[in-house]
Amino acid sequence: NAGVTQTPKFQVLKTGQSMTLQCAQDMNHEYMSWYRQDPGMGLRLIHYSVGAGITDQGEVPNGYNVSRSTTEDFPLRLLSAAPSQTSVYFCATRDFTDTQYFGPGTRLTVL
Amino acid sequence: GQSLEQPSEVTAVEGAIVQINCTYQTSGFYGLSWYQQHDGGAPTFLSYNALDGLEETGRFSSFLSRSDSYGYLLLQELQMKDSASYFCAVFSGYSTLTFGKGTMLLVSP
Repeated sequence: NAGVTQTPKFQVLKTGQSMTLQCAQDMNHEYMSWYRQDPGMGLRLIHYSVGAGITDQGEVPNGYNVSRSTTEDFPLRLLSAAPSQTSVYFCATRDFTDTQYFGPGTRLTVL
Repeated sequence: GQSLEQPSEVTAVEGAIVQINCTYQTSGFYGLSWYQQHDGGAPTFLSYNALDGLEETGRFSSFLSRSDSYGYLLLQELQMKDSASYFCAVFSGYSTLTFGKGTMLLVSP
């Protein structure tokens, strides 16, 4: 089992560009989420999904879109990248014991 | 909203015991979790307390007092590989896990 996978591992964008961060899981977990991690700020929830077709906003959703068409995939879209979105992005799933499993992260730099 | 407070840094020596405290303010509290993150890596789950008391998993233990909105992570027989950041996180609803800002643990020889 691969667990939670994220692509790409690194990305550099210019201000105003759009892109999609990919997240996939093979654990059949209904709950998936996206966090961003900035120095000294811990992990902040961007969006989450409790199952296919259901998404909701977290603490810092502005500038990001998500969709959940399958149980396995939960992509995060940056609509128009800004330098403030420079961060490390983690995708996570959660099982029935409330344990969260994180992907390896995507390190994004917006110039 | 939710807020969690934990120390920003703790230092200790190999073989020692260290305690990382976490206080929280939240509505609809369901439980307190702890995660470990090595530099450049992903957070990994350590423990979860839904009820008051101590949970023990090997060298790591976690404690929760719901009446005091307080918990701690206890690490025993410290090893160099325990140098990492440790995050407490609260479930304040089925869908929301809010993290503290993390405590960096530095273990020296």
